Amino acid sequence: QKEVEQNSGPLSVPEGAIASLNCTYSDRGSQSFFWYRQYSGKSPELIMFIYSNGDKEDGRFTAQLNKASQYVSLLIRDSQPSDSATYLCAVTYNFNKFYFGSGTKLNVKP
Amino acid sequence: SQTIHQWPATLVQPVGSPLSLECTVEGTSNPNLYWYRQAAGRGLQLLFYSVGIGQISSEVPQNLSASRPQDRQFILSSKKLLLSDSGFYLCACLGLVGSGELFFGEGSRLTVL
Repeated sequence: QKEVEQNSGPLSVPEGAIASLNCTYSDRGSQSFFWYRQYSGKSPELIMFIYSNGDKEDGRFTAQLNKASQYVSLLIRDSQPSDSATYLCAVTYNFNKFYFGSGTKLNVKP
Repeated sequence: SQTIHQWPATLVQPVGSPLSLECTVEGTSNPNLYWYRQAAGRGLQLLFYSVGIGQISSEVPQNLSASRPQDRQFILSSKKLLLSDSGFYLCACLGLVGSGELFFGEGSRLTVL
C-alpha cells in the first residue's frame, strides 16, 4: 500500500490556540487529499479536501498542500475541547483507492 | 445523500470460526465500495474495494474475502478467523460525482478470542 505518514501524537494545545497537524505521502501521483476527524469508537467524518497547491480555508480549518514536498497539513484555529479527536490524512490517485495515515491524536485542554 | 448500514455492530468470535459482515448502501446507485480495517490505536487499512457487482480488488493478502452480490451490498467474509483479525471494520462508499468524499458506515467491532 502507498505510504501516508502522520505523527501519532498526542498533540496537546490549550483552548483557543492553533493546532497544526502534518502529513506526508510517498506517491507523487497522488491527486487529492483529505482530512478526516474520528472520535473515539466512531467512524471517520470528512473535514476538508484539497486538490491544488496552496491553502484552502473553511471556517476555523485551513488545509495546506505542497505537492513538490509531498506534504499536506491541517491548521485548526481557535481550538475547542470539542476538536479533541484523532485526525486522519487520506490520499488518492484516481478515486479508486484511498490510503490513510495512522492518525494524529489531538487533545485541546480547557 | 448516501446512507451506509453495517451489521452486526459488535461481535465476539473464537479463533477458527467463520465471519460475515454485511454492508448496504442507500441513496446512490453503482457506487464504489470499500472495506477498511482499523486495529486498536492504528490507522485505516484498505482491505478491498469494488467498482461494481462481482468486481472485487484485494489490497492485502490475508484470510479475508469480499463479495458484491448486488449493486448496493458488500460482504466481508472469513472461513477461519485469526487473533490478528480483531479490529474495527468500516464499510465506505465513494460520494456522488464531484465530491470525492468517502462516506463511512458506523462500523463493526470484531473481537477474536
